[in-house]
Amino acid sequence: TQLLEQSPQFLSIQEGENLTVYCNSSSVFSSLQWYRQEPGEGPVLLVTVVTGGEVKKLKRLTFQFGDARKDSSLHITAAQTGDTGLYLCAGAREAAGNKLTFGGGTRVLVKP
Amino acid sequence: EPEVTQTPSHQVTQMGQEVILRCVPISNHLYFYWYRQILGQKVEFLVSFYNNEISEKSEIFDDQFSVERPDGSNFTLKIRSTKLEDSAMYFCASRLGDQANSPLHFGNGTRLTVT
Repeated sequence: TQLLEQSPQFLSIQEGENLTVYCNSSSVFSSLQWYRQEPGEGPVLLVTVVTGGEVKKLKRLTFQFGDARKDSSLHITAAQTGDTGLYLCAGAREAAGNKLTFGGGTRVLVKP
Repeated sequence: EPEVTQTPSHQVTQMGQEVILRCVPISNHLYFYWYRQILGQKVEFLVSFYNNEISEKSEIFDDQFSVERPDGSNFTLKIRSTKLEDSAMYFCASRLGDQANSPLHFGNGTRLTVT
């Protein structure tokens, strides 16, 4: 079973600061998806990255897929209190029918 | 925007009882999934379903679990005889295709509490 490790597990920062969340694996993925999950709700898709080296921006969020398609990062610029939440990465492999395997999540707390 | 809906939002049951968790996937989606998330742990794959049959299941999905698409809209997960360790959030998800870039849409989950 391929493993997706997210780091850090918990991150507490002040509003206006930047943060980066990492998602690493020894396996190659055909795609990697980032989700955000609020308490009591299901994961909500933020972005899908497919190509090695790909960078996608979503307002203040920047997502990067590693060249070897084994790792990814999520960078938030000038974090706001509304960015507080659980961020999940999930990888898909074609050999596994592209079902998603989730990392353990990074809980982000942005303090005012 | 169309969404995946799950009912009930919270189910409490006694150990050994059968439970059915219900999901209505997005109407034009073809691939359906159940995941679970034990409190404080990662989201885990249970089963995938396509063309009215199971495509893949994890080792968690043993003989106590079954899935069904009884009509054109509902997708259910049945646990025949619940155990304490089945307590978790159960998420249904669906997507249009099974390509790597096909987005997976999740419902808001059913919190199952087994006492």
